[in-house]
Amino acid sequence: GDSVTQMEGPVTLSEEAFLTINCTYTATGYPSLFWYVQYPGEGLQLLLKATKADDKGSNKGFEATYRKETTSFHLEKGSVQVSDSAVYFCALSDSVLSAGKSTFGDGTTLTVKP
Amino acid sequence: NAGVTQTPKFRVLKTGQSMTLLCAQDMNHEYMYWYRQDPGMGLRLIHYSVGEGTTAKGEVPDGYNVSRLKKQNFLLGLESAAPSQTSVYFCASSYQNLAGAVSQYFGPGTRLLVL
Repeated sequence: GDSVTQMEGPVTLSEEAFLTINCTYTATGYPSLFWYVQYPGEGLQLLLKATKADDKGSNKGFEATYRKETTSFHLEKGSVQVSDSAVYFCALSDSVLSAGKSTFGDGTTLTVKP
Repeated sequence: NAGVTQTPKFRVLKTGQSMTLLCAQDMNHEYMYWYRQDPGMGLRLIHYSVGEGTTAKGEVPDGYNVSRLKKQNFLLGLESAAPSQTSVYFCASSYQNLAGAVSQYFGPGTRLLVL
């Protein structure tokens, strides 16, 4: 079945540091890939997505590129802020026939210190 | 638009008690989902629905029942609560898009403590 493996956390960075959170996936078809962010006490919200190979999703300074050859979708940001402290989830959705169901990674907790 | 709302926000139950969690969405989405989130275990799908009057089991359905009598509402029931059901429950919704998979829209969560 489908699976998503994320870099284990927690990750602690200083403000303005470079961020990478690794995500690799296993899927039988050609999935769409997502990064969600969860701030304390809130539900998940979509951060960015990519629907086909070599697509780059971007939002709020975060980027991730859909790499089919390495089955990866790593999240990056050039300069993190304290407000980026949150839990980040990588996810995939396999096809339009899957009723929109997604497979989520376990989440990576990011703490940014001033 | 309110998006996805969940009721209640927090609840404490005693073992054996029953309760219903309500999820409502105002985006006219066909698909709705119930997840539980436990530390270090990510999100696990409990049940889902592809439309009004239909439900299906997810990854961890035991001990839960669901109903979708109206398109905008998806109810999650616990008939006899157990301490193992202490968790944060999230509802989400999504829509059909033949051009490709779409993201899910999440509610704010319900924290449930079973003593």
